[in-house]
Amino acid sequence: GENVEQHPSTLSVQEGDSAVIKCTYSDSASNYFPWYKQELGKRPQLIIDIRSNVGEKKDQRIAVTLNKTAKHFSLHITETQPEDSAVYFCAAISTMTTDSWGKLQFGAGTQVVVTP
Amino acid sequence: SQTIHQWPATLVQPVGSPLSLECTVEGTSNPNLYWYRQAAGRGLQLLFYSIGIGQISSEVPQNLSASRPQDRQFILSSKKLLLSDSGFYLCAWSVNDGELFFGEGSRLTVL
Repeated sequence: GENVEQHPSTLSVQEGDSAVIKCTYSDSASNYFPWYKQELGKRPQLIIDIRSNVGEKKDQRIAVTLNKTAKHFSLHITETQPEDSAVYFCAAISTMTTDSWGKLQFGAGTQVVVTP
Repeated sequence: SQTIHQWPATLVQPVGSPLSLECTVEGTSNPNLYWYRQAAGRGLQLLFYSIGIGQISSEVPQNLSASRPQDRQFILSSKKLLLSDSGFYLCAWSVNDGELFFGEGSRLTVL
């Protein structure tokens, strides 16, 4: 089955700096890679995702890159703000194989702290 | 648009008592449904998932069970809670394109 590793486990950045979180996955059949943001005491919320037919996707200050050959993908947050402080989870899944339907495999999470 | 409702939001239960958490999804048909658990400061652990009425797959052996009596209803239960059952329980739904959406969560404290 799929195994996703996420680094770093904690990340402290100064407001205005960039933050980068990296994930690697093991199953070459994985083709969908979402990122979730979880604020303290709240549910994880999807903030951006990428499918295997593209290498990069941007949405304002956040971007995700995918390297299928190396089996890794990254989340980039530019011009960080205090409200970016949260736990971020990466995940991977193959939507094509029925035995993995719905079993989105999550990384262990990265606690991001943005200091003013 | 699709919405997911989960309740109760918080509960405090004694060890050995039963548990029932309920989740319903609106605005979609035949969703995949999931129960996740998150211990304090930890990651997301998939407990159960269901691709249809009466079809439940368990990911982790434990004293919890799940049922799907209706297409858009998913219930998590226990006959006797353990201290280790404390955590943040999240219901979620998806269709087969992979996107997963979480309910607001139920925080369970077992004393």
